[in-house]
Amino acid sequence: DTAVSQTPKYLVTQMGNDKSIKCEQNLGHDTMYWYKQDSKKFLKIMFSYNNKELIINETVPNRFSPKSPDKAHLNLHINSLELGDSAVYFCASSPRSNWGTEAFFGQGTRLTVV
Amino acid sequence: QQQVKQSPQSLIVQKGGISIINCAYENTAFDYFPWYQQFPGKGPALLIAIRPDVSEKKEGRFTISFNKSAKQFSLHIMDSQPGDSATYFCAASVTGGGNKLTFGTGTQLKVEL
Repeated sequence: DTAVSQTPKYLVTQMGNDKSIKCEQNLGHDTMYWYKQDSKKFLKIMFSYNNKELIINETVPNRFSPKSPDKAHLNLHINSLELGDSAVYFCASSPRSNWGTEAFFGQGTRLTVV
Repeated sequence: QQQVKQSPQSLIVQKGGISIINCAYENTAFDYFPWYQQFPGKGPALLIAIRPDVSEKKEGRFTISFNKSAKQFSLHIMDSQPGDSATYFCAASVTGGGNKLTFGTGTQLKVEL
């Protein structure tokens, strides 16, 4: 049973297109995240939701819009894709948001913008 | 501004040797310091974590050493095995900060036979 699952695993699209990445966790966690890993493998947080409420937004372009229909799902929609958006996007979840605890990561979605 | 600096960028160790990866942080509010392991094509997975009230934590072959005054922490992998070959990330977070992880730049470890 996959704890944090993302779809699709690979996404190749043209500049200017709009795409979505879906994420679901079956761990019963309250908090979910989106992280971006660039070509140099640097990991940086983009967003965090706690019980469907946005709690972290790390100065991400507003072309990126997360949506959390319930606490088990956190989707990422990206408008007007640019070449620089090419990266691996990881969804993660953790049991609580106020203090340090283990974050469980999905397998990632490799987005390639051509 | 890189709040968590990690070195070395890459590391080659012989099987059975000790792998050491170092991290330094700037934000004194950080109070949770995990290490994540990432294999190619997979997401990062928690390896071991420490809080600043202890100076060392050991789990099997993996040990974190923590120096609060120097604002440094390190991962030691004893008896390194080829299966340990992966990218290792240190990270840090602040209580009340939404469990936001600030990652180091990663260390690619290769353990040779």
